[in-house]
Amino acid sequence: GDSVTQMEGPVTLSEEAFLTINCTYTATGYPSLFWYVQYPGEGLQLLLKATKADDKGSNKGFEATYRKETTSFHLEKGSVQVSDSAVYFCALSDRDDYKLSFGAGTTVTVRA
Amino acid sequence: ETGVTQTPRHLVMGMTNKKSLKCEQHLGHNAMYWYKQSAKKPLELMFVYSLEERVENNSVPSRFSPECPNSSHLFLHLHTLQPEDSALYLCASSQEGGLYGYTFGSGTRLTVV
Repeated sequence: GDSVTQMEGPVTLSEEAFLTINCTYTATGYPSLFWYVQYPGEGLQLLLKATKADDKGSNKGFEATYRKETTSFHLEKGSVQVSDSAVYFCALSDRDDYKLSFGAGTTVTVRA
Repeated sequence: ETGVTQTPRHLVMGMTNKKSLKCEQHLGHNAMYWYKQSAKKPLELMFVYSLEERVENNSVPSRFSPECPNSSHLFLHLHTLQPEDSALYLCASSQEGGLYGYTFGSGTRLTVV
């Protein structure tokens, strides 16, 4: 079945550092790919998405490119802030299914 | 209100109590979901409703009973829970399945004592 693997955390960075969270997927069809963010005490918020190969999703300085050849959707941000401290989830959706398959989540802590 | 609203935000209940979690979406979506999020565990999909019909039940114990009276409202009825059921329960909604992603509520933090 469809699945997502993302790098394990926790990840600790200093402010203004570069952030990368790796995500790879396995899917039989042509899935849509997502990054969700969960701030402490909150639900999940959609951060960005890409619905076809070579699409780049971007939001709040974060970017991820849908790479079909490497089945990857890595999340990047060039200069993180303390407010980016959160748990980040990679997810995919098969077009014929209602389900989102989530990765295990990566906890990111940014220190001032 | 906009988005997905869950009430209550926090709930403490004894193992013999009966309580309900409520979820309401104001987005005109046609599918709704319950997820369980426990510490150090992946997100667990519990139930899926599409057009008010249950389309998935992921082997959830019968002490959890969902109800979807219309496309905007989803309930999770709880009875005789166990301490291991303590978790964050998240509701989500979507249009056309998962193609464009889900919109999540803020969750209900449930503690079973």
